[in-house]
Amino acid sequence: GENVEQHPSTLSVQEGDSAVIKCTYSDSASNYFPWYKQELGKRPQLIIDIRSNVGEKKDQRIAVTLNKTAKHFSLHITETQPEDSAVYFCAAVGPGSNTGNQFYFGTGTSLTVIP
Amino acid sequence: NAGVTQTPKFRVLKTGQSMTLLCAQDMNHEYMYWYRQDPGMGLRLIHYSVGEGTTAKGEVPDGYNVSRLKKQNFLLGLESAAPSQTSVYFCASSYLGQDVSGYTFGSGTRLTVV
Repeated sequence: GENVEQHPSTLSVQEGDSAVIKCTYSDSASNYFPWYKQELGKRPQLIIDIRSNVGEKKDQRIAVTLNKTAKHFSLHITETQPEDSAVYFCAAVGPGSNTGNQFYFGTGTSLTVIP
Repeated sequence: NAGVTQTPKFRVLKTGQSMTLLCAQDMNHEYMYWYRQDPGMGLRLIHYSVGEGTTAKGEVPDGYNVSRLKKQNFLLGLESAAPSQTSVYFCASSYLGQDVSGYTFGSGTRLTVV
């Protein structure tokens, strides 16, 4: 099955600086890569995603890049704000099949933005 | 439209007790999933279902059973709870097919087994 590794496990940045979280995956068949933000005590919420036919996607201060050859993808947050503090999870998803769309999650990155 | 609803939100069990967690979705999603979330280990898939009447094992199925008698409900059962099952449990659901961007999580159930 798929194996997703996420680094770093914890990250502290000063407000206004950029934050980068990286994930690698093992299954070349994976074709969808979402990122989730989980605030303390709340459910994971999708913040951005990218499909395998796209190399980069941006949404305001958040961007995701994908390198299919190297099997890694990254989350970039610019101009960080205290409300960006949360745990971020990456995931890799293979093609839909009769076994379902199984999401393989990274172990999470706890981001702290210091005011 | 409530999305994905989990009950209960919190529960404390004694070792050996049994309980059932309920996940309900009103989005007509075919797929439903149960995950557990432990510190430093991310989300791990326990069981999942690709449709009414079907279930399958995920990464960490031992000690759990599931049922999907109705399309909108996915039940997770613990027959004899153990302290190792202390965790936060999340249910999720999604559409059949390639468009997985509709994957939606419930709000979670915090279970403590003492």
